[in-house]
Amino acid sequence: QKEVEQDPGPLSVPEGAIVSLNCTYSNSAFQYFMWYRQYSRKGPELLMYTYSSGNKEDGRFTAQVDKSSKYISLFIRDSQPSDSATYLCAMRTIIQGAQKLVFGQGTRLTINP
Amino acid sequence: DVKVTQSSRYLVKRTGEKVFLECVQDMDHENMFWYRQDPGLGLRLIYFSYDVKMKEKGDIPEGYSVSREKKERFSLILESASTNQTSMYLCASKDSPRETQYFGPGTRLLVL
Repeated sequence: QKEVEQDPGPLSVPEGAIVSLNCTYSNSAFQYFMWYRQYSRKGPELLMYTYSSGNKEDGRFTAQVDKSSKYISLFIRDSQPSDSATYLCAMRTIIQGAQKLVFGQGTRLTINP
Repeated sequence: DVKVTQSSRYLVKRTGEKVFLECVQDMDHENMFWYRQDPGLGLRLIYFSYDVKMKEKGDIPEGYSVSREKKERFSLILESASTNQTSMYLCASKDSPRETQYFGPGTRLLVL
């Protein structure tokens, strides 16, 4: 079993729809939870990060963490064609004193005009 | 604005060749990372470095080595390239107390 599971999609929705992207994880030692966005032929860029359970909002994006269920989500409101990208969840843990990020597979999202 | 650059966007090499991938960051970050990204497998950590001349193995170090002679530069070396090392290679850097890793644009390597 992978430490972090993420549905690779592809996910295709019409412009203006609410998008929900999700990851589950198995390691309760994970602390920081992040979402990266990766446009085609580019490196990932950090979109949001959160530490605690609950919601964190930034513009049209909301990150949600449920530590009891080991489940994190990213919601995109009023989705735009420019949101079309691959979204990767990532989680931080510490192994032998070193910080390590574990990534999900990434979900490919397309917003259709 | 943090900038992480990688020496090549695309590389084609032959089996058995020695391959060097270079990464440079301009933000004086202590930590640097090399990942490979494959469909269905996501990003997997190859090696990381938390200081000059320091290196630590990641999840899949076999067949790779690294070099960090200067703080801003982290090199990934494929000693003898094999076809299963065909992949997208991503470099990242991070300031020590912070969580954010900044990624370069990636190098797409094809080993024939």
